[in-house]
Amino acid sequence: DTAVSQTPKYLVTQMGNDKSIKCEQNLGHDTMYWYKQDSKKFLKIMFSYNNKELIINETVPNRFSPKSPDKAHLNLHINSLELGDSAVYFCASSQTLLISGTGDFGTQYFGPGTRLLVL
Amino acid sequence: DQQVKQNSPSLSVQEGRISILNCDYTNSMFDYFLWYKKYPAEGPTFLISISSIKDKNEDGRFTVFLNKSAKHLSLHIVPSQPGDSAVYFCAAPLRGGKLIFGQGTELSVKP
Repeated sequence: DTAVSQTPKYLVTQMGNDKSIKCEQNLGHDTMYWYKQDSKKFLKIMFSYNNKELIINETVPNRFSPKSPDKAHLNLHINSLELGDSAVYFCASSQTLLISGTGDFGTQYFGPGTRLLVL
Repeated sequence: DQQVKQNSPSLSVQEGRISILNCDYTNSMFDYFLWYKKYPAEGPTFLISISSIKDKNEDGRFTVFLNKSAKHLSLHIVPSQPGDSAVYFCAAPLRGGKLIFGQGTELSVKP
């Protein structure tokens, strides 16, 4: 039973194309995220959704559009792909959002990643 | 601005010895810290966490120490095993669930 799954695992495409990456979690979590790991291996958040509502949009170009049809799914659609979009994209989920002031934190569980290569 | 820093990109230790991975942070608002472990071609896996109200948290072979005055935390693995070879990320959350990650330290445990 895969807790957080992503498809596809590998994606090779040409510049200018539009592509989507799908993410599903079967943990019953309320919050889902997209992270990007660039060539320097930095992991940076792109988006977070809580109960299908956008919470974080981390200055990502509007060519990237997340869509959450329900709490268990958060898909990432990328328009007009550019060379610099080549990276590994990770989906994650957590039971809750950070609750400030208490130290409580919804531990985030990550999917296996989607390796995107734009040629 | 790198709010979470892991200054050692790699670390090599002998099996059975202690591995110490270090992490520094600059944001005083962080009140919770996590360590993730990542194998090649897999997503990060949660390992251990610590709240800022504690200075130590232990889970089996893994212990995390927090020094708030120095804005420094460390992960100790004792004894180290070859299966511990992976990239370890230190992370701290901001409001809204935004995890700020360090650059990672690649640990190699040699038999």
